[in-house]
Amino acid sequence: EDQVTQSPEALRLQEGESSSLNCSYTVSGLRGLFWYRQDPGKGPEFLFTLYSAGEEKEKERLKATLTKKESFLHITAPKPEDSATYLCAVCSSNTGKLIFGQGTTLQVKP
Amino acid sequence: GAVVSQHPSWVICKSGTSVKIECRSLDFQATTMFWYRQFPKQSLMLMATSNEGSKATYEQGVEKDKFLINHASLTLSTLTVTSAHPEDSSFYICSARRADLGGDTQYFGPGTRLTVL
Repeated sequence: EDQVTQSPEALRLQEGESSSLNCSYTVSGLRGLFWYRQDPGKGPEFLFTLYSAGEEKEKERLKATLTKKESFLHITAPKPEDSATYLCAVCSSNTGKLIFGQGTTLQVKP
Repeated sequence: GAVVSQHPSWVICKSGTSVKIECRSLDFQATTMFWYRQFPKQSLMLMATSNEGSKATYEQGVEKDKFLINHASLTLSTLTVTSAHPEDSSFYICSARRADLGGDTQYFGPGTRLTVL
């Protein structure tokens, strides 16, 4: 069964304190792994797509990496405006649909 | 680019009425659009997949007669919640896949908060 598990469920950081969010997945044929940011009351905002193990992508303070079993979203020197829920999703080659994890809610305190 | 809009952003209606939500891709054409539902503190739940000009494909457990989806053009999909009841109150979000780039990346709209009294 295709499944995505994100950890931790919630993360509190001080401004400037770097950390990583984890996304573990099992999928029958990976067509892509996606990271989104979601603010309260808003739709998910696209961040990254990763296709194969070893791939890395960066955007400002965020860096996403991918292995055959998991993905990490590294946040370097976070700022309070990085506070949000970060969603990981995989696309299965069987169904072509996105399967979402439960998300990690990040709070960055000044 | 890759902007998706939804209208309305919120709606309050009486039980038994129907509500239509529009989803538009503003700067690209979308081969496929998706409708999701999200409950508080939960992740997104796919309701249906729609391709332009064809019938939507609904997920198991989603009533197709209750949630009518029309994908009339490559930039517009609508979701109509018919005879809405309080249990239909939720956050509805659409997404779209770009026709020009291919791939499976979905771009999401800002969501519509539906409250049924």
